[in-house]
Amino acid sequence: KQEVTQIPAALSVPEGENLVLNCSFTDSAIYNLQWFRQDPGKGLTSLLLIQSSQREQTSGRLNASLDKSSGRSTLYIAASQPGDSATYLCAVRTRGGTGNQFYFGTGTSLTVIP
Amino acid sequence: EPEVTQTPSHQVTQMGQEVILRCVPISNHLYFYWYRQILGQKVEFLVSFYNNEISEKSEIFDDQFSVERPDGSNFTLKIRSTKLEDSAMYFCASGTGFGGYTFGSGTRLTVV
Repeated sequence: KQEVTQIPAALSVPEGENLVLNCSFTDSAIYNLQWFRQDPGKGLTSLLLIQSSQREQTSGRLNASLDKSSGRSTLYIAASQPGDSATYLCAVRTRGGTGNQFYFGTGTSLTVIP
Repeated sequence: EPEVTQTPSHQVTQMGQEVILRCVPISNHLYFYWYRQILGQKVEFLVSFYNNEISEKSEIFDDQFSVERPDGSNFTLKIRSTKLEDSAMYFCASGTGFGGYTFGSGTRLTVV
């Protein structure tokens, strides 16, 4: 069964700092990996989707990379802002079985201090 | 941008009661899903639905749960006899295939 781990569990940085969130997964046979943002008590907002054939995706100040062979992905946030404060979730879609489900990590809770 | 819509946003129910959580997926999506997140825990897969039938379900999705697509737009999750441990945020999602999902904003279910 796919296991997804996110490190660190929590991160606090001053505004303007660049930061990296890490995600690792145990089964490298994946279809894709998706990064989500979750505000407290709210839903999941998709940030970036990386297909298994891709190495990275970029959207604005966000850049996600994927190293499938080593089972790792990183989410890079440039010039962090207080509005970036949220929990960031990594989810992996595996080729095993019907390949229907995403396996989620427990998330990294980010606080950006003004 | 198209959205997945879930109603209600919050539901409180008494233990043993039946609840129906409703979702309107994105109109051209063919794959539908339910996930749940117990407070402080991971988001967990419950069930996937394609071509009017369940394509995959987790061990959480026991006989107390059922899903239905009663018409061309709605997708529902029914819990027949709620337990305290069913209290969670329930997310509906939809997708076109083996791409990404779009999630709804969730229904917070509180069983008392």
